Amino acid sequence: GAVVSQHPSRVICKSGTSVKIECRSLDFQATTMFWYRQFPKQSLMLMATSNEGSKATYEQGVEKDKFLINHASLTLSTLTVTSAHPEDSSFYICSAEGLAGSSYEQYFGPGTRLTVT
Amino acid sequence: RKEVEQDPGPFNVPEGATVAFNCTYSNSASQSFFWYRQDCRKEPKLLMSVYSSGNEDGRFTAQLNRASQYISLLIRDSKLSDSATYLCVVNTGNYGQNFVFGPGTRLSVLP
Repeated sequence: GAVVSQHPSRVICKSGTSVKIECRSLDFQATTMFWYRQFPKQSLMLMATSNEGSKATYEQGVEKDKFLINHASLTLSTLTVTSAHPEDSSFYICSAEGLAGSSYEQYFGPGTRLTVT
Repeated sequence: RKEVEQDPGPFNVPEGATVAFNCTYSNSASQSFFWYRQDCRKEPKLLMSVYSSGNEDGRFTAQLNRASQYISLLIRDSKLSDSATYLCVVNTGNYGQNFVFGPGTRLSVLP
């Protein structure tokens, strides 16, 4: 299946700093990538949809100025958590959309565990 | 009502048991359907797509009932390695741009 990578896999940062997470589709081009957040024992929550060459679409309640998304190429999307606070500590997962047969499937990256101290 | 709902779980079953997961969705225009499994602290992995005719992959059988807006996953002869959270996922968009995840049902297969 298609491969999506994320970097870093784990990051610990101090409150007030910014953290950038990269999501790459390794063997296919993805015009659309998605960013999710998952708190412990909860399901994935979609944060935003990232379209190559255009502004991301954010879900209700997600601050676009805090979670900056840049989808500069067909294989790379980045999420920057600005001025991180302890409540931003979470598991951030990206996915890239690919066509499999006649339907679209999502291929997930391995996730980034962010801890803000 | 949530867009995608699943059995609350957790399910604790002995090895070899048959276990069924249920999922309902509210958007009748939903296009495609999937079951993902997610191991603890890992990303979700696609288990199988769900087709109207139903589909089977080894010990796993998925069924879709569009009239009832209901999806199921059956695991036969469960193994310890089947322990995970099973996520029902519904794509409500025409061009794959609206994947909605259910809350998941956690399965523990016990020796």
